[in-house]
Amino acid sequence: DTAVSQTPKYLVTQMGNDKSIKCEQNLGHDTMYWYKQDSKKFLKIMFSYNNKELIINETVPNRFSPKSPDKAHLNLHINSLELGDSAVYFCASSQRAGEAFFGQGTRLTVV
Amino acid sequence: GIQVEQSPPDLILQEGANSTLRCNFSDSVNNLQWFHQNPWGQLINLFYIPSGTKQNGRLSATTVATERYSLLYISSSQTTDSGVYFCAGDRGSTLGRLYFGRGTQLTVWP
Repeated sequence: DTAVSQTPKYLVTQMGNDKSIKCEQNLGHDTMYWYKQDSKKFLKIMFSYNNKELIINETVPNRFSPKSPDKAHLNLHINSLELGDSAVYFCASSQRAGEAFFGQGTRLTVV
Repeated sequence: GIQVEQSPPDLILQEGANSTLRCNFSDSVNNLQWFHQNPWGQLINLFYIPSGTKQNGRLSATTVATERYSLLYISSSQTTDSGVYFCAGDRGSTLGRLYFGRGTQLTVWP
């Protein structure tokens, strides 16, 4: 059983397109996150949701919009994709500020 | 935010060697974790270690919270240990927002 699963694993798309990445966790955690890993492997938080409520919104372009339909799901929608959006996006979850568990990552390539 | 410094940035070992990775934080952190990012990109949880010492097989970790650092020990390294090792911690007040170091790239040769 995968604890935190995200789809798709790979995403190749053209500039200007809109795409979504889905994330689901079956750990019963109340907090979910999106992190971005850049080409130098640096990981930085983008968003955090606690019980479906947005609690952390880092300096991220408005083209990125997270949506949490319930505690177990946190999706990331990206509008008007740009070359600079190419990165690996990780979903994670934790119980409040406890140990965090990460999904397998989505490698987004914008061409 | 919190600055996280990891050392060394790169480490090349022969199989069987031991190593110590270090993580320094610029401020007090809670919920300190160590991760291994394998060559396939997966982030694997190694230790959740806000303080004290833990051991798991050939790996062990020690966190000295009062001095804001943590150490990861790898003994008898194997080629499967290759990858990037990250430490991360949060402030407790920001509900799990993890601050990551830039990682240690470990390469183990047979």
